Amino acid sequence: GDSVTQMEGPVTLSEEAFLTINCTYTATGYPSLFWYVQYPGEGLQLLLKATKADDKGSNKGFEATYRKETTSFHLEKGSVQVSDSAVYFCALSKVPTGNQFYFGTGTSLTVIP
Amino acid sequence: KAGVTQTPRYLIKTRGQQVTLSCSPISGHRSVSWYQQTPGQGLQFLFEYFSETQRNKGNFPGRFSGRQFSNSRSEMNVSTLELGDSALYLCASRIGASSHGYTFGSGTRLTVV
Repeated sequence: GDSVTQMEGPVTLSEEAFLTINCTYTATGYPSLFWYVQYPGEGLQLLLKATKADDKGSNKGFEATYRKETTSFHLEKGSVQVSDSAVYFCALSKVPTGNQFYFGTGTSLTVIP
Repeated sequence: KAGVTQTPRYLIKTRGQQVTLSCSPISGHRSVSWYQQTPGQGLQFLFEYFSETQRNKGNFPGRFSGRQFSNSRSEMNVSTLELGDSALYLCASRIGASSHGYTFGSGTRLTVV
C-alpha cells in the first residue's frame, strides 16, 4: 500500500547549520507530496508541496524536490534558526483513491543558539 | 480569512463515556477530514466528508463516527471511550482536489481517564 518513510529523529542542530530531513515514499500512480510543520501545541501547517516529478516546493527558506526515480522528497534548509524548532511531517496524497493523506512519523527538530 | 476552528481545545472524559468534537472548516471548503495523532501511532486517518457524504474511512472501530452538515461543519463522535483514545484529534479542510493540501485546525486534545 501507499506509505511514507521519514528519517528518525530527534535532530538537534546549531543555529545557521544546514538541515536535511529524508523522506521516501511508496505509491502507485502519481502522488502529490507535502511537508507539514507542527509547532508545540498547534495543528499542522503546510510548509511546501510538489505535485509532479521534478517539481521543487519552497517556502521560508525550506526546499524539497520531487524525485520520482528515487521516490524521495527530502527537506532541506541552508541555515536553520531557533524558530525552526518543530516537528516536520512528510506526506503524500493521491487522486482519485479517497484523497486521504499518508503521513510519515514526523521528525523533531531542535535548533540551539 | 478565518482558519479551521476546532472546539473544544481540551477535553477530559472518563472511560465508557462518549464525546463529540466539532470542526468548522474554512469558508468555501467543502471537504473535511479527521485525523488522530498519538505519540505511538503518529497521524492516522479517521474519515473524510464531502458535501455531507463520507467519502473515505480509515481503519478505526465503529465507536468512531462522524458527520457533516450542510454548512460543511463537521462533528466526530467517539462512544464508549477507552484509555487508548487519548490523543490529539485534528480536523482539516480543503477546497477539493488532493494536490491543494489541507489546512489543519489546532486540534482537540482528548484525555480519557
